[in-house]
Amino acid sequence: EPEVTQTPSHQVTQMGQEVILRCVPISNHLYFYWYRQILGQKVEFLVSFYNNEISEKSEIFDDQFSVERPDGSNFTLKIRSTKLEDSAMYFCASSDIKGAGDTEAFFGQGTRLTVV
Amino acid sequence: AQRVTQPEKLLSVFKGAPVELKCNYSYSGSPELFWYVQYSRQRLQLLLRHISRESIKGFTADLNKGETSFHLKKPFAQEEDSAMYYCALIPNFGNEKLTFGTGTRLTIIP
Repeated sequence: EPEVTQTPSHQVTQMGQEVILRCVPISNHLYFYWYRQILGQKVEFLVSFYNNEISEKSEIFDDQFSVERPDGSNFTLKIRSTKLEDSAMYFCASSDIKGAGDTEAFFGQGTRLTVV
Repeated sequence: AQRVTQPEKLLSVFKGAPVELKCNYSYSGSPELFWYVQYSRQRLQLLLRHISRESIKGFTADLNKGETSFHLKKPFAQEEDSAMYYCALIPNFGNEKLTFGTGTRLTIIP
């Protein structure tokens, strides 16, 4: 069964450093998402991406965040200058048509980011 | 703005007993509601969605617009049901953003 794959599974970085979290969505999917979950809190939407551009973003997704689809398979989330409060589990998801209403958003296993 | 509330962080139920995981939402329109599940060391996955009105792994959920609830139910709990359960919504068909509740950790006692 096809899966969304995320690398690395765990990343430790120093405050102020740039990190890139990588995702390989399911190959025929067109809509891509990033969510995050701070420990003990809810899963929160960050951004959605379609047709090589951001289609929606939350207030969390400020100027220090960016997303890119550098080739036909990868979907990346970059955090330019990490802060302690960026420590969280980051989930990538993809779906084949717009919205999760009548289709399914498939999630990756997550990347745990620890900022020290 | 929409919100999803799951009042129970933890729920323990004996095997064979009925299970009900509560979910309430606030949104002025007609949202799409979902239950996602995360088993130990596995990824978040869709359990069921209200528009399909199906039963998955013995679980059902009915959307009650009057009470703005979407409680998840199973008549007889099984040990393999132990997991983290998240209720989620999208505001309207075609929207992209899932809004999640805080989740309920369900433990089935053998």
